[in-house]
Amino acid sequence: EPEVTQTPSHQVTQMGQEVILRCVPISNHLYFYWYRQILGQKVEFLVSFYNNEISEKSEIFDDQFSVERPDGSNFTLKIRSTKLEDSAMYFCASTGRGSGNTIYFGEGSWLTVV
Amino acid sequence: GIQVEQSPPDLILQEGANSTLRCNFSDSVNNLQWFHQNPWGQLINLFYIPSGTKQNGRLSATTVATERYSLLYISSSQTTDSGVYFCAPTGAGSYQLTFGKGTKLSVIP
Repeated sequence: EPEVTQTPSHQVTQMGQEVILRCVPISNHLYFYWYRQILGQKVEFLVSFYNNEISEKSEIFDDQFSVERPDGSNFTLKIRSTKLEDSAMYFCASTGRGSGNTIYFGEGSWLTVV
Repeated sequence: GIQVEQSPPDLILQEGANSTLRCNFSDSVNNLQWFHQNPWGQLINLFYIPSGTKQNGRLSATTVATERYSLLYISSSQTTDSGVYFCAPTGAGSYQLTFGKGTKLSVIP
């Protein structure tokens, strides 16, 4: 079964550093997402991306966050200046047909900011 | 945005028992998915079920969209069923899944 792949699986970074989390969505999918989950809490939506632009974003997704699809396969989340509260599991997801179809999640990238 | 409530928040079962997890949501939906988050943090798709009933082995799910709830049934539970079960609908016109707080299931031998 095709899957969403994410790298790195775990990253530790100093507060204030930039972090890039990478994702390879399922190859024929068109809609891409980032979600995050702070330890012990529920999964929260960050951003959705379609046709090379952001289609929706949450209040969490402020100016320190950005997303990019630099080529035909990768989808990245950049955090410009990390804060302690950015420590969380970050999930990438993709779907073929937007909100009306199954959304598939990657295994997550665990980010620890120290 | 859409509000999602899951119950119960915690559930302890003896291996072999059956259970029903409930998800209530506040608005009409055009997508609803159930996930199992395993102890390693992975989110495993269980069902895509905006309406109707589906079955997959020991698991089944029913969504009654007009009454704004969904149910996940687990029969003959096994220790590997332990983890957190999340319900996540998408509101009409939106692309984002809104997750509930989950039901933490512990199946003991």
